[in-house]
Amino acid sequence: QKEVEQDPGPLSVPEGAIVSLNCTYSNSAFQYFMWYRQYSRKGPELLMYTYSSGNKEDGRFTAQVDKSSKYISLFIRDSQPSDSATYLCAMTYSSGGYQKVTFGIGTKLQVIP
Amino acid sequence: NAGVTQTPKFQVLKTGQSMTLQCAQDMNHNSMYWYRQDPGMGLRLIYYSASEGTTDKGEVPNGYNVSRLNKREFSLRLESAAPSQTSVYFCASSASGQAVVAKNIQYFGAGTRLSVL
Repeated sequence: QKEVEQDPGPLSVPEGAIVSLNCTYSNSAFQYFMWYRQYSRKGPELLMYTYSSGNKEDGRFTAQVDKSSKYISLFIRDSQPSDSATYLCAMTYSSGGYQKVTFGIGTKLQVIP
Repeated sequence: NAGVTQTPKFQVLKTGQSMTLQCAQDMNHNSMYWYRQDPGMGLRLIYYSASEGTTDKGEVPNGYNVSRLNKREFSLRLESAAPSQTSVYFCASSASGQAVVAKNIQYFGAGTRLSVL
């Protein structure tokens, strides 16, 4: 079993839809949770960062963490064609003074105009 | 603001050839990383360098070597390329110190697409 599970999609939605992207994890040591966005032929870039259970909102994006269920989500409201990208969840914990990070395989999202 | 710069962007090698992928960051970060990204496998850590002068193996180090040349530069070498090393390679960096948020955020380069025939 992988430490972090993420549905690779692809996920295709019409413009304006609400998108829900999810990851589950098995390692209780994970403390910090992130979502990266990766456009085609580009490197990943940080989109959202959360630490505690609960919701964090940034514009059209909401990151949700449920540590009791080991489940994290990213919601995109009023999705736009420019949101078409691959979304990777990432989780970290401290190990020997180093932040060990594990990425999900990414969910490819396409927003249709 | 260049951030993390990788060279080359594309490379085609024949089996058995060697090459070095270059990475440089201008954010004064202590930690640097090399990943490979393959379809269905996601990002996998090859090697990392927590600080200048130190390097450690990641999840998939076999067939690779690294050099942390100075604080800015971290190179990845393939001594004898194999078709299984066909992939997209990403270099990343992160800050260190007391700021927990900064330590956890990685900044990525644009990647090197490598094909080994």
